[in-house]
Amino acid sequence: AQSVSQHNHHVILSEAASLELGCNYSYGGTVNLFWYVQYPGQHLQLLLKYFSGDPLVKGIKGFEAEFIKSKFSFNLRKPSVQWSDTAEYFCAVMTSGTYKYIFGTGTRLKVLA
Amino acid sequence: ETGVTQSPTHLIKTRGQQVTLRCSSQSGHNTVSWYQQALGQGPQFIFQYYREEENGRGNFPPRFSGLQFPNYSSELNVNALELDDSALYLCASSAGGGGNYNEQFFGPGTRLTVL
Repeated sequence: AQSVSQHNHHVILSEAASLELGCNYSYGGTVNLFWYVQYPGQHLQLLLKYFSGDPLVKGIKGFEAEFIKSKFSFNLRKPSVQWSDTAEYFCAVMTSGTYKYIFGTGTRLKVLA
Repeated sequence: ETGVTQSPTHLIKTRGQQVTLRCSSQSGHNTVSWYQQALGQGPQFIFQYYREEENGRGNFPPRFSGLQFPNYSSELNVNALELDDSALYLCASSAGGGGNYNEQFFGPGTRLTVL
């Protein structure tokens, strides 16, 4: 069965630290990849997405992610986090020929001011 | 442009009861997907509706059913509620239809508590 793994369940960083959140998926075919963010009290919002082309994609608020097909990974990065980045981050995969997201379990990020 | 809205915001039911949750899709979107997000978990796909037909289903029993209306709004119905049905239920709308990779836009969710 297809699955998405987010290995870091809780991450605590100080402001200005660099961030990398891991995401791995299990599916050998074509995939579309997404990172969503859920700020406290708000609904899921798209941070960035990869459909094809340049495997390094840039999203909102300075986030970027790199698709490494050989590693089945789509890790999220930000060079310098801010207190306002405190949120839960979800990686999601949509496999070819389907119409549903398969989500990871999420990573709770807390940024200390 | 109006985003995805869901009602009610919170709901408390008892075991065995039935519940209906509602979703209005974003303007211009014709596809609605429903997800269940249990505490500490990522959202899990329940089913998707496109042009008033169920377009795909996740690993949920038949007591989870839905409808989509001509205006593309949607309902999720759950019969014979169980304690494990307590979760946040998310609705997401997208344009294009089933099999399309279009981004899904999520509503705020309905928090269902089953006692």
